[in-house]
Amino acid sequence: GAVVSQHPSRVICKSGTSVKIECRSLDFQATTMFWYRQFPKQSLMLMATSNEGSKATYEQGVEKDKFLINHASLTLSTLTVTSAHPEDSSFYICSATSGTEVGQPQHFGDGTRLSIL
Amino acid sequence: AQSVTQLDSHVSVSEGTPVLLRCNYSSSYSPSLFWYVQHPNKGLQLLLKYTSAATLVKGINGFEAEFKKSETSFHLTKPSAHMSDAAEYFCVVSFSGNTPLVFGKGTRLSVIA
Repeated sequence: GAVVSQHPSRVICKSGTSVKIECRSLDFQATTMFWYRQFPKQSLMLMATSNEGSKATYEQGVEKDKFLINHASLTLSTLTVTSAHPEDSSFYICSATSGTEVGQPQHFGDGTRLSIL
Repeated sequence: AQSVTQLDSHVSVSEGTPVLLRCNYSSSYSPSLFWYVQHPNKGLQLLLKYTSAATLVKGINGFEAEFKKSETSFHLTKPSAHMSDAAEYFCVVSFSGNTPLVFGKGTRLSVIA
């Protein structure tokens, strides 16, 4: 159980294109989803936290107009990288959790490798 | 404030020998602690978690970790390394289920045949 599906797994596109990444919880309701960015050989960097039906909370330094997050249902959150440029190339990972209890783990998608030419 | 320190950025072991990945944490509250593993170009898979029950936690694939409050440590061990264990391992602190995780910088485990 607790499967998170992230799609697409890899995107290669031209500079100026907008790219949408989907994160779905397949067998549980995700009250909270998180979006991370990971640079090569580094740890995950939290970009934003999204709760179903409300606006995402962005971390300092993350442009909310650049990285649009929508969490319209309890099983789906999307991250749209608008007008992507080469510096946006990275590995993006989502995670989801079903509860607020202490010790509730987050379940991760397999990530999306975004390459902007 | 919560923080996590993984003491080794890279650990290399021979196949069949024990694995020790070290993690120290700092937390103002009783923490929940996790170990996740990441294989190349993949997301993170939960290995095990500590949530104030038994201090010795058993996880998947033969891994276990011991929570030592006096040492603020949560080291990950495995008696015998397998080639498939080669990956990046992250020690993580959490306060509650819907708050952001605090990640260590990761330890890359190499397993030599």
